[in-house]
Amino acid sequence: NAGVMQNPRHLVRRRGQEARLRCSPMKGHSHVYWYRQLPEEGLKFMVYLQKENIIDESGMPKERFSAEFPKEGPSILRIQQVVRGDSAAYFCASSPVTKKTGRFNYGYTFGSGTRLTVV
Amino acid sequence: DAKTTQPPSMDCAEGRAANLPCNHSTISGNEYVYWYRQIHSQGPQYIIHGLKNNETNEMASLIITEDRKSSTLILPHATLRDTAVYYCIVRDYSGTYKYIFGTGTRLKVLA
Repeated sequence: NAGVMQNPRHLVRRRGQEARLRCSPMKGHSHVYWYRQLPEEGLKFMVYLQKENIIDESGMPKERFSAEFPKEGPSILRIQQVVRGDSAAYFCASSPVTKKTGRFNYGYTFGSGTRLTVV
Repeated sequence: DAKTTQPPSMDCAEGRAANLPCNHSTISGNEYVYWYRQIHSQGPQYIIHGLKNNETNEMASLIITEDRKSSTLILPHATLRDTAVYYCIVRDYSGTYKYIFGTGTRLKVLA
């Protein structure tokens, strides 16, 4: 049972280019979350998606950033016209349908992240 | 904003128990306490979670105070591989289930 797969592991982009980060959730998981981690800082929530729906995008920058989780295929985090400040590690996590009892929810499973460097 | 506060760093001798405290004084009745850790720059790893009863698994124990305003993660026999940043998070099951990470505790296990 493969874990959460993120690719690429490392991505280098020049200022002004587009960055596409992919996340394949664990089998059977229908919820995807994206987090960003700047160097020497904690993880910041960006967006929460279910298949074909954005549920919570309160952490997404208003411009240049978008996310999708189509019916088929991985979730994509897209950053247009990247700037140096976008350099960070981007982590994706997935979870199954949450049950309120808690005992059946072992929390998220995180991927290994994509390290984006903007030069 | 994170609903938890943790000491920024702690040291622990190898083989000894590591006790990591967390304050969550504004926790509400339907919020669970989760613990994750992040080793180097890897993705965070789930450790344990609980609501009001103490919990134990193969990795750690979680002790939650009776008033639920604080908790302690216990690594019973710390090893060098337990050196990591440990995050305590409260999560509401009635909302969008997102985690809000704080700054965590950087645990260093010393040989």
